[in-house]
Amino acid sequence: NAGVMQNPRHLVRRRGQEARLRCSPMKGHSHVYWYRQLPEEGLKFMVYLQKENIIDESGMPKERFSAEFPKEGPSILRIQQVVRGDSAAYFCASSPSTDVWEQYFGPGTRLTVT
Amino acid sequence: DAKTTQPPSMDCAEGRAANLPCNHSTISGNEYVYWYRQIHSQGPQYIIHGLKNNETNEMASLIITEDRKSSTLILPHATLRDTAVYYCIVRVGRGKLIFGQGTELSVKP
Repeated sequence: NAGVMQNPRHLVRRRGQEARLRCSPMKGHSHVYWYRQLPEEGLKFMVYLQKENIIDESGMPKERFSAEFPKEGPSILRIQQVVRGDSAAYFCASSPSTDVWEQYFGPGTRLTVT
Repeated sequence: DAKTTQPPSMDCAEGRAANLPCNHSTISGNEYVYWYRQIHSQGPQYIIHGLKNNETNEMASLIITEDRKSSTLILPHATLRDTAVYYCIVRVGRGKLIFGQGTELSVKP
């Protein structure tokens, strides 16, 4: 059973460009979470999604950031008009629909804004 | 804010047991204790969780005090590959994980 997949693993964007980060959850998992880890800082929750629904977006910056988890395909974290402060590692995690609550993390996408 | 307190760092000799403490004095009756670890910039890895009974799996053991105000993660025979930041998290049900600063465990030969 393949684990959580994220792509790209590394992404370089210039200031003002858009960044799209993709997350494919483990097979059978319908819950997806996004976390951000700024350099030398801890992991911070951003958003929790189920298929086609945003359940908790309390950690999402109010502007430029959006997330979706469509009925088909991967979850997407989109950052518009990136700034240098967006440079970070972005991790996706998934969990199944059952009462199993553990979250399984992907390897992360390292975003560098130049 | 994280609801747990952990020492910032610990050392352990290779082959010995590593005992990582966690205080969660404000834990609610329906909150579980979870442990994750992050090995140098990789994605966090689930280790174990428990409610009030001690738990053991192939990776570690979790000892929760009777009053549930603290717990200890035990790695019975630490190896160099166990060097990582270990996070103790309390949460109820599904939903976000709130990571604190964790304990940086260094396993030394």
